[in-house]
Amino acid sequence: GEDVEQSLFLSVREGDSSVINCTYTDSSSTYLYWYKQEPGAGLQLLTYIFSNMDMKQDQRLTVLLNKKDKHLSLRIADTQTGDSAIYFCAEMFSGGYNKLIFGAGTRLAVHP
Amino acid sequence: KAGVTQTPRYLIKTRGQQVTLSCSPISGHRSVSWYQQTPGQGLQFLFEYFSETQRNKGNFPGRFSGRQFSNSRSEMNVSTLELGDSALYLCASSSRQATTGELFFGEGSRLTVL
Repeated sequence: GEDVEQSLFLSVREGDSSVINCTYTDSSSTYLYWYKQEPGAGLQLLTYIFSNMDMKQDQRLTVLLNKKDKHLSLRIADTQTGDSAIYFCAEMFSGGYNKLIFGAGTRLAVHP
Repeated sequence: KAGVTQTPRYLIKTRGQQVTLSCSPISGHRSVSWYQQTPGQGLQFLFEYFSETQRNKGNFPGRFSGRQFSNSRSEMNVSTLELGDSALYLCASSSRQATTGELFFGEGSRLTVL
């Protein structure tokens, strides 16, 4: 079946690292994505990882993929107040055609 | 390069009415997808168009329909509106024909049904 699960809330101190976790069910997903949504805005693509990769790093962002456990994580180093937003994990539906299956989103709160 | 443009940004309708939302993709992008975002159901896929053809459709009733024009602009229509149709409707465009590309989202059209 198609399902993506995330914890709903994460609170971190400014300057610390944030780790947002996600599990998915479709083992044949080719791509997995992290999107960011700020209040009143659309979705901003942060990064994505191809399913044959274990890790991808992009500046402050590190994505880890454990395909065996169907677990995806996003690590944000040196978290800033501007990182406060909702983060969505998504998998590309194996049937394709740009159908993404989204998690419920993790609300990240960064406090001083 | 202009991003994905959705109009209108906000609208209020009453039950039973119909609504048409518009999406202009990033220049050169030929794939347009639509998603519905609600607090209860989260983000759900509505449909995807490529070169004026619907290639995939989500689990929504027939009241939800869409189309794509030759310039890649897309519209979605919801007829006989229900209270539960209140949502943020997001459009995304992609430059890839295959299922490998990133999706770039617009700001959304927020529909309120009274």
